[in-house]
Amino acid sequence: GAGVSQSPSNKVTEKGKDVELRCDPISGHTALYWYRQSLGQGLEFLIYFQGNSAPDKSGLPSDRFSAERTGGSVSTLTIQRTQQEDSAVYLCASSRQGSGETQYFGPGTRLLVL
Amino acid sequence: EDKVVQSPLSLVVHEGDTVTLNCSYEVTNFRSLLWYKQEKKAPTFLFMLTSSGIEKKSGRLSSILDKKELFSILNITATQTGDSAIYLCAVGGNDYKLSFGAGTTVTVRA
Repeated sequence: GAGVSQSPSNKVTEKGKDVELRCDPISGHTALYWYRQSLGQGLEFLIYFQGNSAPDKSGLPSDRFSAERTGGSVSTLTIQRTQQEDSAVYLCASSRQGSGETQYFGPGTRLLVL
Repeated sequence: EDKVVQSPLSLVVHEGDTVTLNCSYEVTNFRSLLWYKQEKKAPTFLFMLTSSGIEKKSGRLSSILDKKELFSILNITATQTGDSAIYLCAVGGNDYKLSFGAGTTVTVRA
């Protein structure tokens, strides 16, 4: 597609439920990133995928967070047993390769945990 | 730990004014500095700077990097209401991660 797409655009869930957020990167981009942006804060790095390499999960805040990237394209970020502090905008970005490349962002998913 | 500080946190101007946004950084093995504009949710790419002293320009927006003093500025001239947004500065080091500042919220009043 023309740009990075994410779904859903908004998600409201109850505390304790699991949620799945989806990201479709720009076609041909091998690197994919997930970030979290809380109200009034900068972007917080969560996880990075590059080609077939093992993902860098160093930014995931807890073991309730996990992510997969199937076939080197679409990625899913899963949050299990959601907590109110998980409420944020989750942004996905992709780049042609990894280091030094401009990252292009999707429209994000706004998650609200009640 | 990499650090990116933007100032001011927010500002309000009138149409036609010029704004200057600042970004200072501390990063291991600096590689690039990027500016993004964020309206609603998706940050959109503005500039990538890798060399000192070279001005990048696009219409009314321009940016310059000072690698010696470890900062960058983003200028917007003849501001319009459509320039209202959060402007994010991000710095890339030796790896693929970008460290983001908290952003500057610009409000342009008609």
